Amino acid sequence: QKEVEQDPGPLSVPEGAIVSLNCTYSNSAFQYFMWYRQYSRKGPELLMYTYSSGNKEDGRFTAQVDKSSKYISLFIRDSQPSDSATYLCAMSVPNDYKLSFGAGTTVTVRA
Amino acid sequence: EPEVTQTPSHQVTQMGQEVILRCVPISNHLYFYWYRQILGQKVEFLVSFYNNEISEKSEIFDDQFSVERPDGSNFTLKIRSTKLEDSAMYFCASTPRGALSSYNSPLHFGNGTRLTVT
Repeated sequence: QKEVEQDPGPLSVPEGAIVSLNCTYSNSAFQYFMWYRQYSRKGPELLMYTYSSGNKEDGRFTAQVDKSSKYISLFIRDSQPSDSATYLCAMSVPNDYKLSFGAGTTVTVRA
Repeated sequence: EPEVTQTPSHQVTQMGQEVILRCVPISNHLYFYWYRQILGQKVEFLVSFYNNEISEKSEIFDDQFSVERPDGSNFTLKIRSTKLEDSAMYFCASTPRGALSSYNSPLHFGNGTRLTVT
């Protein structure tokens, strides 16, 4: 079983729709969960950062972590064409220097 | 907002040649990292670096790879004898502190160097 699994998509939605992205993981020691956005030929850009279980909201973005199910989600409300990008989940154990990434989901928001 | 900058944006080299990828981390950051992303694959951790020493490295980071902070601003990744399979995007990242915790800022990535080995 891969350590972090993420559906690569692609995912195509109309402008204004809710985008739902998710990752599953196998390592129960992961405590820190992140979502990065990556535009073509650019580096990953941090969107959301959560610790342990629960929800976190920032503007149109909501991140959810369910540690009991080893499942994390990112929701994008009122999606815009500028949200078209690849979204990467990433996670880490405490006191570690490295992130484990998912494969990324490519999202296209149609105007 | 401060950025991690990487040069060159694209490097083409022949198999067996040495390459040096350069990074300027954010100025008040103390921990530095290299990640790579082979086309169509996951972003993978290579190495972390603090206080002029490697803190942690992955199994990918073999004897062909080395890192250095030659002065107060640059952080470099050297591949001694490139192979075709080294073709990838290489990302530099930095944090003000090291191990991730609820008090730390997560990684800030540069825009990467695309390495093509022919």
